[in-house]
Amino acid sequence: GIQVEQSPPDLILQEGANSTLRCNFSDSVNNLQWFHQNPWGQLINLFYIPSGTKQNGRLSATTVATERYSLLYISSSQTTDSGVYFCAVESPGDSSYKLIFGSGTRLLVRP
Amino acid sequence: DAGITQSPRHKVTETGTPVTLRCHQTENHRYMYWYRQDPGHGLRLIHYSYGVKDTDKGEVSDGYSVSRSKTEDFLLTLESATSSQTSVYFCAISELAVWTDTQYFGPGTRLTVL
Repeated sequence: GIQVEQSPPDLILQEGANSTLRCNFSDSVNNLQWFHQNPWGQLINLFYIPSGTKQNGRLSATTVATERYSLLYISSSQTTDSGVYFCAVESPGDSSYKLIFGSGTRLLVRP
Repeated sequence: DAGITQSPRHKVTETGTPVTLRCHQTENHRYMYWYRQDPGHGLRLIHYSYGVKDTDKGEVSDGYSVSRSKTEDFLLTLESATSSQTSVYFCAISELAVWTDTQYFGPGTRLTVL
């Protein structure tokens, strides 16, 4: 089945810094989503982005499907950005309906 | 935020007992999913539903069953709970199929099997 790798596994930032999180996948995808899991455990959808670029406030994401990677950019980070960021994909090469999650990037933003 | 609730939010039970978790949505979405989240494994799909009474297995379905008798409710049952089923369980919904749509997650249920 498709493999999803996220990097870095852990990241510590000073408030106000910028960061880039990466998601590599081993096969073509129909669907790619980025989620943020906050320190209270809630999973929040950030982007549905199987290809192209999207922006939402201080966050933006780019997926280059032909090269099998996606990037999540966080600008001017805030302490509320802390948590775990997951990339999840669905591949036509796998059985339908499976959204496969990466292991996540744990982000800590210090004041 | 999508209207998804899970109950109970926390549960402690003993090995061998049956347990049912409930997911309720107010969005009238067709697709519903159950995931478990464990350290070192991320989120893994247990079962999913693509309509009332239409369900299928995910990648970690052994020991679990589901039922969906109404659009708004998706139940996950642990037939005979084991310690390996201690986990955080998340329900998710999507209006369209997973390959075309965004998934929205409920708040999670923390289950401890002693």
